Amino acid sequence: KAGVTQTPRYLIKTRGQQVTLSCSPISGHRSVSWYQQTPGQGLQFLFEYFSETQRNKGNFPGRFSGRQFSNSRSEMNVSTLELGDSALYLCASRGAGQGAIKDTEAFFGQGTRLTVV
Amino acid sequence: DQQVKQNSPSLSVQEGRISILNCDYTNSMFDYFLWYKKYPAEGPTFLISISSIKDKNEDGRFTVFLNKSAKHLSLHIVPSQPGDSAVYFCAASAGSNYQLIWGAGTKLIIKP
Repeated sequence: KAGVTQTPRYLIKTRGQQVTLSCSPISGHRSVSWYQQTPGQGLQFLFEYFSETQRNKGNFPGRFSGRQFSNSRSEMNVSTLELGDSALYLCASRGAGQGAIKDTEAFFGQGTRLTVV
Repeated sequence: DQQVKQNSPSLSVQEGRISILNCDYTNSMFDYFLWYKKYPAEGPTFLISISSIKDKNEDGRFTVFLNKSAKHLSLHIVPSQPGDSAVYFCAASAGSNYQLIWGAGTKLIIKP
């Protein structure tokens, strides 16, 4: 089956603009998480959506927001972009996430490389 | 407060030898642990996992050991191959929502 698809792969934006990134999870997966990775840093958790509801949230400012649609596809939005937002943004999908420990395994997309100039 | 720690930012190992990557955690409620491998500009890929009811899980060249009393786990790669050069992340989960808590990663370099 198809893996996690993130679009676009690369994006260049100007400071102050906003951006929307998209993630299509593996078919049947209901949990979608977003991460930010900057050079030399690990995976910084942004938020997780499950069945269209935000289930967990990391320590990012309110400029970072997301949503999930009824087909489990998710979008992440960053408003008023700053230079420090330049990063690889990763999306991960998981199964039901409840009652099945195997569903803890996250499957990642290839990421969207965002450059803010 | 970092609940999952990978204290070695990088590790260099000779090809053919054993690579040992370490991970420590502080939350005793963690009950499932995972290792991921990441190449530059790609998403992490799942390698191997272990439940807290076990102390060892093996999959080919990869073995994960869990020491609950020490709150420590390690990933052994034997023998190490050039394609193993990547960043390795340790992750842990606890609770009914299975949120993954990630370490900062260790960059493994396999020398020819």
